[in-house]
Amino acid sequence: EADIYQTPRYLVIGTGKKITLECSQTMGHDKMYWYQQDPGMELHLIHYSYGVNSTEKGDLSSESTVSRIRTEHFPLTLESARPSHTSQYLCASNPGLAGPGEQFFGPGTRLTVL
Amino acid sequence: QKEVEQNSGPLSVPEGAIASLNCTYSDRGSQSFFWYRQYSGKSPELIMFIYSNGDKEDGRFTAQLNKASQYVSLLIRDSQPSDSATYLCAVNMVGKSTFGDGTTLTVKP
Repeated sequence: EADIYQTPRYLVIGTGKKITLECSQTMGHDKMYWYQQDPGMELHLIHYSYGVNSTEKGDLSSESTVSRIRTEHFPLTLESARPSHTSQYLCASNPGLAGPGEQFFGPGTRLTVL
Repeated sequence: QKEVEQNSGPLSVPEGAIASLNCTYSDRGSQSFFWYRQYSGKSPELIMFIYSNGDKEDGRFTAQLNKASQYVSLLIRDSQPSDSATYLCAVNMVGKSTFGDGTTLTVKP
């Protein structure tokens, strides 16, 4: 069973604040991903990492940044939150056995920017 | 054309019926295919994957793959109200995975 954690689960914050969404996994997976998903809408890949010190932007342009200093930790940072950033943010990791499509998702962070 | 397309929903079936969810993909080199279930307000969870042409069964779920026609489907037999969710198809392409937009299934008691 996958153990991937995201904190906070819910966040309401004012415009202009800097926020960091945490994602951790205890499985030693090298590949990790961040997705953005609005309610009832499709998943959009915003960042991914293939291992320590490796980060790439995804298909959806995002004003967020990520870092990967440790295998188990893949935080996402918004330097200045805006109402357009209101969404659900999902973190996932991939064990590397069945290819990139096999992903285990965390519970998500629902972000509201006022 | 999207790289992965799923039949537009929502799909509604009565309890006990077979629900059929379809997914087509554009890259002929794709090798493996995944089905996820996402309940409203929750994150996606992997329910099964398939590599080889033909059928793969897991309980009430059957994945079907036809690489020549570039489609993969998910059949849910004896559908239950608890199967009501959005089903996402994901396709492994070179170096990446692409998710479809999802099909929302409602199973009516």
